[in-house]
Amino acid sequence: NAGVTQTPKFQVLKTGQSMTLQCAQDMNHEYMSWYRQDPGMGLRLIHYSVGAGITDQGEVPNGYNVSRSTTEDFPLRLLSAAPSQTSVYFCASNQDGLLMGGYTFGSGTRLTVV
Amino acid sequence: DQQVKQNSPSLSVQEGRISILNCDYTNSMFDYFLWYKKYPAEGPTFLISISSIKDKNEDGRFTVFLNKSAKHLSLHIVPSQPGDSAVYFCAASGDGSSNTGKLIFGQGTTLQVKP
Repeated sequence: NAGVTQTPKFQVLKTGQSMTLQCAQDMNHEYMSWYRQDPGMGLRLIHYSVGAGITDQGEVPNGYNVSRSTTEDFPLRLLSAAPSQTSVYFCASNQDGLLMGGYTFGSGTRLTVV
Repeated sequence: DQQVKQNSPSLSVQEGRISILNCDYTNSMFDYFLWYKKYPAEGPTFLISISSIKDKNEDGRFTVFLNKSAKHLSLHIVPSQPGDSAVYFCAASGDGSSNTGKLIFGQGTTLQVKP
C-alpha cells in the first residue's frame, strides 16, 4: 500500500496563478482532510470530506476549493495564488472518522508563491 | 481563536529522563485527543490517543494524561531517547453532536533529547 500520496512535493507559483495539489489514498478511507503548516501556527484545517461527494470547510478555507468525486482522490485547488498561501500542505485520510489510530498523513507539498 | 494551545515552543531533556509535553484546550465539546510526532520533511505520524471517558492511556514509553476539568492534556515519554527528537503536535476532535472527523491541532512543541 502506498498510503497517502501527495504531488507535487515542491512548487513555486507566481501571484495570481492557479494550481491543483493532488492527494490520493489507496486505503479506501472515507475521511480525508487538507491542512497547512505555518511556523508558530501548527497545522490548520483547510477543507475536509467525510465521503465521496461531501466536503466542508475547515478553519482557513478562503482561497481554496476542493471536490471529492471518488473515495481515493481529494484535490486542493488554489484559484488565484497569493504570497499568504506560501506554506507546507498536508493531506490526510482516516477510515471512519472515529480517529482510532489517527489520521494517516502524506509527506506534504511545499508551496512558495512569489 | 486558538482552541488547542501548546504554550511551550521547545523542550530540551537529557537522554533517559522524562519528557513532558503539555497541551491546553478551550472547547469543552472536544471528546477525543491525539498526539502526533513530526520529523523534518515528513508528514505527521500518529503517536497515541485518548478518549474523554478516560484519564490515562499508555503505549510503551508513551503515556497521555487527560484532565478534563482543567482542559489539559500531557504526553509523557519515559525514558526519552535521541530518536524522540521531533516536533510534537496535540490535536483534538469532536463537537458533541456528530463525528465530523475534524482535527484541530496545537502549534507544536519541538523536543530535543540530548545524548
